[in-house]
Amino acid sequence: DAMVIQNPRYQVTQFGKPVTLSCSQTLNHNVMYWYQQKSSQAPKLLFHYYDKDFNNEADTPDNFQSRRPNTSFCFLDIRSPGLGDAAMYLCATSRGAQAQHFGDGTRLSIL
Amino acid sequence: QQQVKQSPQSLIVQKGGISIINCAYENTAFDYFPWYQQFPGKGPALLIAIRPDVSEKKEGRFTISFNKSAKQFSLHIMDSQPGDSATYFCAAAVNQAGTALIFGKGTTLSVSS
Repeated sequence: DAMVIQNPRYQVTQFGKPVTLSCSQTLNHNVMYWYQQKSSQAPKLLFHYYDKDFNNEADTPDNFQSRRPNTSFCFLDIRSPGLGDAAMYLCATSRGAQAQHFGDGTRLSIL
Repeated sequence: QQQVKQSPQSLIVQKGGISIINCAYENTAFDYFPWYQQFPGKGPALLIAIRPDVSEKKEGRFTISFNKSAKQFSLHIMDSQPGDSATYFCAAAVNQAGTALIFGKGTTLSVSS
């Protein structure tokens, strides 16, 4: 089945140690999104790629960056994770303005 | 003005009953209103969505009602089943590629058998 796959499902890192989360998709969608979802809260958009164009939300911390080397893959880099960055990170894709489809997320813990 | 207000925060319904979740928005530029269902440890899954040119959309046991003048929309789950127990998020967006889904805070639904 075509889908959005996130790896790893669980990631533990140390305070201040860079971490990278990955997302791949078989839907061939041209838009990829990264959302942050903290416990018992709604997902919040961090940034998205429309094709190769990167678009950052105004309130996304500088600590968060993203790379999209090709249509199928997108990475979320957290340069110096703080305790407040512990959350579920959700990748989503869409074909243009059509519905967004989410992966099952990576739960990030900070020690 | 970007907020979407969702209620109730939690809901307990008996098997076979009707579950109703309500959402309200302020931004009149929003023109796409999806509902997502999320199970623990899983990502949100699109359940049903509506655009403001219709007042109601039904898919199986799930119905969205939309009131453009009141800037409100709601999800009705008919014949609720224990398998429907999950967190439901309403969302709103301007219907163009790359815009953020603005989510409500979610409703945790428990359907008792």
